Amino acid sequence: QKEVEQNSGPLSVPEGAIASLNCTYSDRGSQSFFWYRQYSGKSPELIMFIYSNGDKEDGRFTAQLNKASQYVSLLIRDSQPSDSATYLCAVIPSGNTPLVFGKGTRLSVIA
Amino acid sequence: DGGITQSPKYLFRKEGQNVTLSCEQNLNHDAMYWYRQDPGQGLRLIYYSQIVNDFQKGDIAEGYSVSREKKESFPLTVTSAQKNPTAFYLCASSKNRGMGQETQYFGPGTRLLVL
Repeated sequence: QKEVEQNSGPLSVPEGAIASLNCTYSDRGSQSFFWYRQYSGKSPELIMFIYSNGDKEDGRFTAQLNKASQYVSLLIRDSQPSDSATYLCAVIPSGNTPLVFGKGTRLSVIA
Repeated sequence: DGGITQSPKYLFRKEGQNVTLSCEQNLNHDAMYWYRQDPGQGLRLIYYSQIVNDFQKGDIAEGYSVSREKKESFPLTVTSAQKNPTAFYLCASSKNRGMGQETQYFGPGTRLLVL
């Protein structure tokens, strides 16, 4: 079973701080990695994807990938109360297998 | 506007009844997916289709059926064999498989409740 693990949280951070969300995956051959945000009662929306080792920045969001450690993270700078949501990590494993989702980390940004 | 639509937003099922959830996309995506989400849980894959007239079972296909007669449409039927159907059902699509093309985009979801 190809697995994606996330800490369920809740992760609480003060407004303006950096939120750090982490994800590990079991399939060393995984190639594509995604972060989605899901507000309560709504469908997931794509934040960003990353394919290569290192950092990828998009506005206040930075995805970090370390394939050797099988670890992907999402940093949210200058966290806002509107960032409070569940963040889902998703991975495309090796082989002809669809996206595998983690169970998500609930983030709470305190004003 | 391009996007994915799901209907209805809420659906009520009586015991022993089959119900069908609609999913339509106008993104010209080849692949479509159905997920189930239970409270506090992640997304579990029910069925997916990478091409018209072909589909594969996901992790929890029992009690569900699908069809893919058109590229734009991927309806999901929840049969009476699914004994615990209450959940949030999400449809997604992606351009295709392969690096850079497998990003999935989601519809707004259908919440199914059992009467």
